[in-house]
Amino acid sequence: DGGITQSPKYLFRKEGQNVTLSCEQNLNHDAMYWYRQDPGQGLRLIYYSQIVNDFQKGDIAEGYSVSREKKESFPLTVTSAQKNPTAFYLCASANGGTSTDTQYFGPGTRLTVL
Amino acid sequence: GIQVEQSPPDLILQEGANSTLRCNFSDSVNNLQWFHQNPWGQLINLFYIPSGTKQNGRLSATTVATERYSLLYISSSQTTDSGVYFCAVNTGGFKTIFGAGTRLFVKA
Repeated sequence: DGGITQSPKYLFRKEGQNVTLSCEQNLNHDAMYWYRQDPGQGLRLIYYSQIVNDFQKGDIAEGYSVSREKKESFPLTVTSAQKNPTAFYLCASANGGTSTDTQYFGPGTRLTVL
Repeated sequence: GIQVEQSPPDLILQEGANSTLRCNFSDSVNNLQWFHQNPWGQLINLFYIPSGTKQNGRLSATTVATERYSLLYISSSQTTDSGVYFCAVNTGGFKTIFGAGTRLFVKA
């Protein structure tokens, strides 16, 4: 089945640790996105990648890093510099990444900092 | 930047009732999407509707781009319709702006 997978589903982290969230898609989409969702709020863009080896910061990129070495993979690292990382993280992909493309979402990863 | 406001913020319905969710946006848009987020967090595309009207089963949506609003209609609501409904817009470029959502609970 074509789709977007994220792992792990739940992640617990101690303060001061870096963690990496996985996002894989087999839709052959060029564009991939990472969003953060806090309780009761909408989604905010962390990073965006339109093609391999290229990515751009979104509205809340501080404390996060990404890589795009393969078309199908866009991992997100939450670093110790992120002051309040507890949130729900959603990965999405789109065919071309233009303003008229529909985005498709993975199931999300819930990160909790202990 | 563009502002996206959704109303009502919360909605409780009896199963079988109809409802209308509204999304107002403050600037012209290239793209408007409606999403449903289920209680487990998964977001599902409902409509891609920068203008005009579309229908899919019990759901339909209308966007009046010149007046900068979009409406999502849910008819004969079911408990499985519960969750959060998001409106998301794009004014050009790669960034999509999401509203805060309408939280819907359908009682059996």
